[in-house]
Amino acid sequence: DSGVTQTPKHLITATGQRVTLRCSPRSGDLSVYWYQQSLDQGLQFLIQYYNGEERAKGNILERFSAQQFPDLHSELNLSSLELGDSALYFCASSPQVNANIQYFGAGTRLSVL
Amino acid sequence: QQQVKQSPQSLIVQKGGISIINCAYENTAFDYFPWYQQFPGKGPALLIAIRPDVSEKKEGRFTISFNKSAKQFSLHIMDSQPGDSATYFCAASRPGNNRKLIWGLGTSLAVNP
Repeated sequence: DSGVTQTPKHLITATGQRVTLRCSPRSGDLSVYWYQQSLDQGLQFLIQYYNGEERAKGNILERFSAQQFPDLHSELNLSSLELGDSALYFCASSPQVNANIQYFGAGTRLSVL
Repeated sequence: QQQVKQSPQSLIVQKGGISIINCAYENTAFDYFPWYQQFPGKGPALLIAIRPDVSEKKEGRFTISFNKSAKQFSLHIMDSQPGDSATYFCAASRPGNNRKLIWGLGTSLAVNP
């Protein structure tokens, strides 16, 4: 068990809808990372937060947004969902902003029908 | 543009054999090269990592070989076991840039009993 908790495990929704994915990092970790994993694209880095502030952005669509709350949990919001957004979404955490080791949660599988 | 190129995409090995997964990179600023292991239904987990000041690092049956001049590194799994069946990701990071991990696309390894 990595200590990173993601909810829900599975999410089924329709095109055009909006969903929120939640992540609780390991105790004491200040950095949270969000990734999208699809079969043909591997692990795509979306965004990083450190102690409540956005620190790095990757290939995150404008329809997607994230935030990290004072208790350090994070949420990834996906809106105007499209079929192509169906994927596994992982959250990872690390103790510091510059950290080589990331601890991953078990992921949220999103299916957009 | 894939900054870290991983091959092969999939690999089938017999129990007791050697599994070899290769990665190549372009950015000579990279100074940390981890391998992550992902089992079905789980998030990736750090398996082993190397820095370019050494040419090889071994942890149990897992060995990273690093060739700085060729800008390549590889994962060797000795005496491969069915329990090693997983997806393996190589990655690389450099100082600064929040040490963002640049990921390979992954290799699906199946070890036949």
